[in-house]
Amino acid sequence: AQSVTQPDIHITVSEGASLELRCNYSYGATPYLFWYVQSPGQGLQLLLKYFSGDTLVQGIKGFEAEFKRSQSSFNLRKPSVHWSDAAEYFCAVKNQGGKLIFGQGTELSVKP
Amino acid sequence: GAGVSQTPSNKVTEKGKYVELRCDPISGHTALYWYRQSLGQGPEFLIYFQGTGAADDSGLPNDRFFAVRPEGSVSTLKIQRTERGDSAVYLCASSLLDSPPQAGELFFGEGSRLTVL
Repeated sequence: AQSVTQPDIHITVSEGASLELRCNYSYGATPYLFWYVQSPGQGLQLLLKYFSGDTLVQGIKGFEAEFKRSQSSFNLRKPSVHWSDAAEYFCAVKNQGGKLIFGQGTELSVKP
Repeated sequence: GAGVSQTPSNKVTEKGKYVELRCDPISGHTALYWYRQSLGQGPEFLIYFQGTGAADDSGLPNDRFFAVRPEGSVSTLKIQRTERGDSAVYLCASSLLDSPPQAGELFFGEGSRLTVL
């Protein structure tokens, strides 16, 4: 069965600093990988997805993620964080049958 | 509206009562998902429909939970004999059949917050 681990429950970064959120997945076949963001009181919004091709994918709001099959990882990065990026971030993996499983999330706080 | 719509947005009920939560997906989306999210946790998969049939219901916690999608559009999640542990936000999402099918983006509603007293 597929699973997703986000090792960091909470991360704080200063505004303007770089960001990396970690995600490790477990799935036997080619994974379909996603990052979603959830702001307080709002629904989940897709940041980016990977299912084939270039292992570095670009998303909305200046985010990118890199798929590393050898490490079973799909870490999310942003070169310069803005105060509005404070939110909960979820990594997710979809199996061949279409079932999407989420990690437990990483809460991002941004210091002025 | 253009997005996924869930009603009610808030539901407070008493232990032992029956509850229905409704999801209106984006028009034309063939796949529909239900998730449950507790405070501080990631969304927990419950069930996934392709058209009218449940493609995967492995996440339903027990036989008190049931979901239907009779015409392949609107879905209803039904919870019988509610328990305090059922309190959570229930999220619905819909998706097009993309190419490949598993790559389709899920569009989420804002959820139905269920509180069982």
